[in-house]
Amino acid sequence: NAGVTQTPKFQVLKTGQSMTLQCAQDMNHEYMSWYRQDPGMGLRLIHYSVGAGITDQGEVPNGYNVSRSTTEDFPLRLLSAAPSQTSVYFCASRETGTGELFFGEGSRLTVL
Amino acid sequence: AQSVTQLDSHVSVSEGTPVLLRCNYSSSYSPSLFWYVQHPNKGLQLLLKYTSAATLVKGINGFEAEFKKSETSFHLTKPSAHMSDAAEYFCVVSALGGGQGNLIFGKGTKLSVKP
Repeated sequence: NAGVTQTPKFQVLKTGQSMTLQCAQDMNHEYMSWYRQDPGMGLRLIHYSVGAGITDQGEVPNGYNVSRSTTEDFPLRLLSAAPSQTSVYFCASRETGTGELFFGEGSRLTVL
Repeated sequence: AQSVTQLDSHVSVSEGTPVLLRCNYSSSYSPSLFWYVQHPNKGLQLLLKYTSAATLVKGINGFEAEFKKSETSFHLTKPSAHMSDAAEYFCVVSALGGGQGNLIFGKGTKLSVKP
């Protein structure tokens, strides 16, 4: 019973490098989202998708890109990493009827 | 517009004593409200949710919350704290029903439980 799977769990980047955080869910949820969590800030929405081929910006989208080619996968791309993107990133999918979010275990990113 | 305010960033209780984590919300629509728990280095897990049914909602691990429209509150309680309850708790509001719209997270309340 995998649920939401995120990889990698840890990553260290240098300023200007690019990388992709992977997220996959096996619950056939249409809605998927990416959050970042910073101390004292709660979770802030980066991007979300309401189905394959449809994405939209959340509260803090700058510096991040997403795509949704399948229902299962929702990768998050950092095009040119900056120290301000040092954070813990969570992917989540949402059950349509109840609204419950199912979270991955997080990806801890450090940008030097 | 919708917003959620968790009134305490940190709450400390002794094991066996009651827990109260406070949450106020603001919403232009009838909200759905959730409490999530995050244990260290883990993702968030749903504790309980309110979606316009009974105003007193029971969740996992003995937690419950009461939706009070007149006070725009959704406080989380537990009669007797256990060491395993030490975690961070997030109150979340969704303005357009549980299945639609984006969710707004409070900034979190860290619960410490002393032996």
